[in-house]
This record gives sequence, C-alpha cells and structure tokens, in this order.
Amino acid sequence: DTAVSQTPKYLVTQMGNDKSIKCEQNLGHDTMYWYKQDSKKFLKIMFSYNNKELIINETVPNRFSPKSPDKAHLNLHINSLELGDSAVYFCASSPGGAETQYFGPGTRLLVL
Amino acid sequence: GQSLEQPSEVTAVEGAIVQINCTYQTSGFYGLSWYQQHDGGAPTFLSYNALDGLEETGRFSSFLSRSDSYGYLLLQELQMKDSASYFCAVSSNTDKLIFGTGTRLQVFP
Repeated sequence: DTAVSQTPKYLVTQMGNDKSIKCEQNLGHDTMYWYKQDSKKFLKIMFSYNNKELIINETVPNRFSPKSPDKAHLNLHINSLELGDSAVYFCASSPGGAETQYFGPGTRLLVL
Repeated sequence: GQSLEQPSEVTAVEGAIVQINCTYQTSGFYGLSWYQQHDGGAPTFLSYNALDGLEETGRFSSFLSRSDSYGYLLLQELQMKDSASYFCAVSSNTDKLIFGTGTRLQVFP
C-alpha cells in the first residue's frame, strides 16, 4: 500500500553514463514532481507534470528528461551524468495545489 | 523572485517547546507549508496555512501572518523522535512549492 514509490533507491554510476529513475504513485493524484536535494539539504523543484502534461521546467540542463506515460507515473532520464548530478532525487505527488505534497523515499545518486 | 529564511539549527531538551521561524518574500503568495524530514528519509507534510492565525494539529502548531510575511512552527512536548530537519515552503501563483533551507532540530534528553 505504498503511496509514492521510486526505483532504484540507490544508484552508483560512472561519469558519462545514462540512467533512469522511476516513480509511481497510487494516490490518484493528478500532479507529480521531481526534486533534487543536494548535500546541504537544499530541496529544489526540477519538473512538474499535471495529468501527463509538463507544467514546470526549472531551468534544468537538457540532459535531464522527464517522461510521464500516465498520470500515475513520472520517470526521470539523465544523459551523460556529471559529478554535480550526485544528489538525492525525490519524486512527489499532490492532489491539487502545490502546498500539500507526498514524497517518495528518494533515489540516492552517486556519480563517480 | 522568491526567498525564504529560517534558522539553520535549533536545539532543545525533551519536554520543552520550540518555535521555528520563517520569513519569506514572494509575489502571488498563496500559503505557507511546513515539512519534516528525518535524516535519510523523505520530506513529510506537517501543515499548511493560507490564512492568518494559528493552526493546531496535536503537538504541532503553525502560525501565519500574511502582512508580516512571517510564519512559525511550534513544537510542544518535544520528544527525541522530533529530531529532524524542518522546512518551510511557500506556494504561489507559479504552481511551485519553494522550500526554505531547512532548520535542523536536535532534541536532547
């Protein structure tokens, strides 16, 4: 009965590789988000989708490409990984406005 | 632009009361949310204030003053499990939630 789930939980990879993170929510929410949390715990919005449509794209390098096959899923593909991409990536969903969001457990990405 | 300020760290003892303040600057303001994040965990929603005043949920309360662009989270009867980071976040007409830098609360026995 997990609400928002992400896979994988940990991801260790080499610079230059391409990787994907998957997110699924079973809450029936229309809006989903991707956040990046850096080592100083700063939580920054990357993307937001509402019912499969991209509504927020926060000046993220185009190496990052989100995809929403349906409103319950939001995946994140990252090309040509760089050292600075190392962070925790959180997926979240909300039923309506942005104020109340339900976060997934996070994906800890380490780029070597 | 949007900005939020909150203290970086607060310490307290079990059973005490602690207040975490948050000041913000944003246009098109809708409301102020609070999230809790334990080390290694995910942010979890605590409260949301859209109107001025105090909202109480158990041991936690949240306050908002729209005219002062200020809010706070009040934690009462502190327990060791309350040790975590607490983030204020503003929602606005941009459909985004902008988070503060977080306040690390350490509760000592």
